Amino acid sequence: DIQMTQSPSSLSASVGDRVTITCQASQDINNYLNWYQQKPGKAPKLLIYDASNLQTGVPSRFSGSGFGTDFTFTISRLQPEDIATYYCQQYDNLPMTFGQGTRLEIK
Amino acid sequence: QVQLQESGPGLVKPSQTLSLTCTVSGTSISSRGSYWSWIRQRPGEGPEWIGYIYYSGGTFYSPSLESRLAISLDTSKNQFSLKLRSVTAADTAVYYCAKGGRTWVAPWGQGTLVTVSS
Repeated sequence: DIQMTQSPSSLSASVGDRVTITCQASQDINNYLNWYQQKPGKAPKLLIYDASNLQTGVPSRFSGSGFGTDFTFTISRLQPEDIATYYCQQYDNLPMTFGQGTRLEIK
Repeated sequence: QVQLQESGPGLVKPSQTLSLTCTVSGTSISSRGSYWSWIRQRPGEGPEWIGYIYYSGGTFYSPSLESRLAISLDTSKNQFSLKLRSVTAADTAVYYCAKGGRTWVAPWGQGTLVTVSS
């Protein structure tokens, strides 16, 4: 299975900050990388697909980039409602696999 | 819009079979090209993809679970189901059903907690 490693595992930031999360794949996965947001007690929600495409209805402050093994997820201006855990997921090889998550808190 | 809802027992005894059903609304599970997945999440961990079933009935299971796993479709009820045999405490998790499985998975059901305990 392809291993997905996210960093940091947790971070604390202030409202209005720019926040960046990275995800590294154990092998080349092209751009077959998605990002999800999971709020406490809720199911994950797809935010970005194919590394950089914003899912319909997702605010434009969310963005993604990367190709191959290294990927980045960014929130341009952190809002209070963005408090959640964020996961990357690859689908280059089945089984699809997820990162261990990055827990985002408000400072 | 597409909505999914999991149902089934919240408590299963060790060595028994975990059975869950996902009821889909807003679209037909027989829609050409559609995939339907089961995913689980142990407390404090990232999601773990379990497997998918294709609209035509074909399946793909995670290698770590395939010896104990069966996913099936019931097109008359617009449902798909999961059966996981010989469960242990390690199978305790929140189980989600979701649309998709070959690329991304969206949307997801709300999830149901299944505890394996005697």
